[in-house]
Order: sequence, then C-alpha cells, then structure tokens
Amino acid sequence: GQNIDQPTEMTATEGAIVQINCTYQTSGFNGLFWYQQHAGEAPTFLSYNVLDGLEEKGRFSSFLSRSKGYSYLLLKELQMKDSASYLCAVKDSNYQLIWGAGTKLIIKP
Amino acid sequence: GAVVSQHPSWVICKSGTSVKIECRSLDFQATTMFWYRQFPKQSLMLMATSNEGSKATYEQGVEKDKFLINHASLTLSTLTVTSAHPEDSSFYICSASGQGETEAFFGQGTRLTVV
Repeated sequence: GQNIDQPTEMTATEGAIVQINCTYQTSGFNGLFWYQQHAGEAPTFLSYNVLDGLEEKGRFSSFLSRSKGYSYLLLKELQMKDSASYLCAVKDSNYQLIWGAGTKLIIKP
Repeated sequence: GAVVSQHPSWVICKSGTSVKIECRSLDFQATTMFWYRQFPKQSLMLMATSNEGSKATYEQGVEKDKFLINHASLTLSTLTVTSAHPEDSSFYICSASGQGETEAFFGQGTRLTVV
C-alpha cells in the first residue's frame, strides 16, 4: 500500500527553527509537495520537489531524497502565524496526490 | 498562482435533503478536478477525480450515487451530496489542475453541517 508518515504534532518557539520530516512509500513518484493548512481552511501551496536537493523559498526550505523516500520542510525565524498544520503529499505513478495526515505545529512565544 | 473559487463556504441542511457545492477555476482551464473530504483532525481524503467531459472516478468506499460529481466544462465542477445525513457533515474541498500543471490549486473549502 501507499503510505506517508509525518509527526502528528510539534512545538517550537517564536524566532527559532523547526524541521518537519516526511517519509513516503508510494507506487511511483512524480513529485512531493508541502502545503500549509490553517484550521477550517483549504491547504495553501508551500513547495514542490521533484529532484533531490534543497529548494529554498524565503523562510521556508524543502529537501528531498528520492532514494531514501524522505523529505523535510524547514521553517526559519518562526512567527506566531506559522502555527498551522503542514501536509506532505506525493504524486504517485498515476499523478494522484497521496496525502500525509499532517503535522500540527504549535508556536509558543 | 491560479484561482479556484468554491462555494458555498459553509452550509447547514436538514437530514434527507441534497446540497450542491460548486468549484470554479477562474483564470485557467481545469482539465482535472479533485474532490476531497476532511474530518476534524484527519488528513485530506480523496473522494473522486473528474476529467472534463467524462465520468468521475470514485475512490473505494465512496458511494457514487450519493456523491454526484459533474464536470461539464473546463471551468466548473459540482459535487452534490444527495440525501444528506449527519455523518456526511465534514469539510469538503475541491482542487483543480490544468493540463501539464505540477500543482493543484485548492478552493476555499465548504463546511457542511447536516442536522
């Protein structure tokens, strides 16, 4: 079966750095996405990785290792508004998005 | 990014009635639309995938006669929850993808409460 694992919940301090990990086992791979979802809202796109390596976009960076089936989302200079759920999703061989359960990130002052 | 408009944002309906949710791509042609359901504190669950002009493909366990999906044009897809029951209360989200797009763009979501 297809499976995406990420921690259920993480806590970090305002101004600090946090890394959210995601491991996946899917039938084929056509890219990995990170989305941010605030409670009661639709997900918003953060990043897309299809090749190994690090993609940096402002305070957010995403890393991918296809051989290890592993990705992480790195958030720097955390702000209170970063409190949200972060969803890892993989496009499989049928170009269908397979979603992780999401990591709830709690930012404390 | 591209804009996908979904409405209504929230709806309350009586048990046994039907509810229609619309999903529109405003500035691109959505060749494929996806409908998701999300229960509290759970992941997005794909219900069905629809390609313009053809019948939707439903995920296992999703009743196609209960959740009617229409994708008659490249900019509009609708999900109708027929004979709604309280257990259908959930957050329904659509997303749309254009041909060759790597990213799917999400609507705002619809909070359905069946009483």
